[in-house]
Amino acid sequence: TQLLEQSPQFLSIQEGENLTVYCNSSSVFSSLQWYRQEPGEGPVLLVTVVTGGEVKKLKRLTFQFGDARKDSSLHITAAQPGDTGLYLCAGVGSNYQLIWGAGTKLIIKP
Amino acid sequence: EAGVAQSPRYKIIEKRQSVAFWCNPISGHATLYWYQQILGQGPKLLIQFQNNGVVDDSQLPKDRFSAERLKGVDSTLKIQPAKLEDSAVYLCASSPRRTGELFFGEGSRLTVL
Repeated sequence: TQLLEQSPQFLSIQEGENLTVYCNSSSVFSSLQWYRQEPGEGPVLLVTVVTGGEVKKLKRLTFQFGDARKDSSLHITAAQPGDTGLYLCAGVGSNYQLIWGAGTKLIIKP
Repeated sequence: EAGVAQSPRYKIIEKRQSVAFWCNPISGHATLYWYQQILGQGPKLLIQFQNNGVVDDSQLPKDRFSAERLKGVDSTLKIQPAKLEDSAVYLCASSPRRTGELFFGEGSRLTVL
């Protein structure tokens, strides 16, 4: 059974600070997706990483896919209150199954 | 382009009652998913359709949950009878392909009393 462990589960920081969220697995994924979900809404895709070692930037968000395609990280620089939400990673595993992390609840205090 | 539509947004029922949720995916999306999400947690796949065929329903509690996707377009998820632990948000998502980006609806929040 493929698992995707996401950490931390909860993070509360001040506006302007930096943070990193991790998704780790012992399994290889063909690609990995990051979503953000706001209260009362469905998750919205932020980025998909496909190639081992790939780095993608979305304004102040930097996403990295591990060289072995078993792990990924999301780094936010100078966090803002608008970044508050539940961050979810999801890896495309064997048989095209989408394996979800448990989520990181992020709160940015003004 | 219209997004994924779900209804109802909210539903409160007594335990042992039944409930049905409806989903209309983005036009042309062959893959449709139903997820259960407990507050603050990651979504748990209940069932995945490819067109009108079931691809994965291994985590669907088949003694009480059922789902169908007639004509490969919209879908319904039914719970009968409901239990207290079924209180959750039920998310519908669609994708143009099995490994593609998922587009989610706003979800249907179920409270079982």
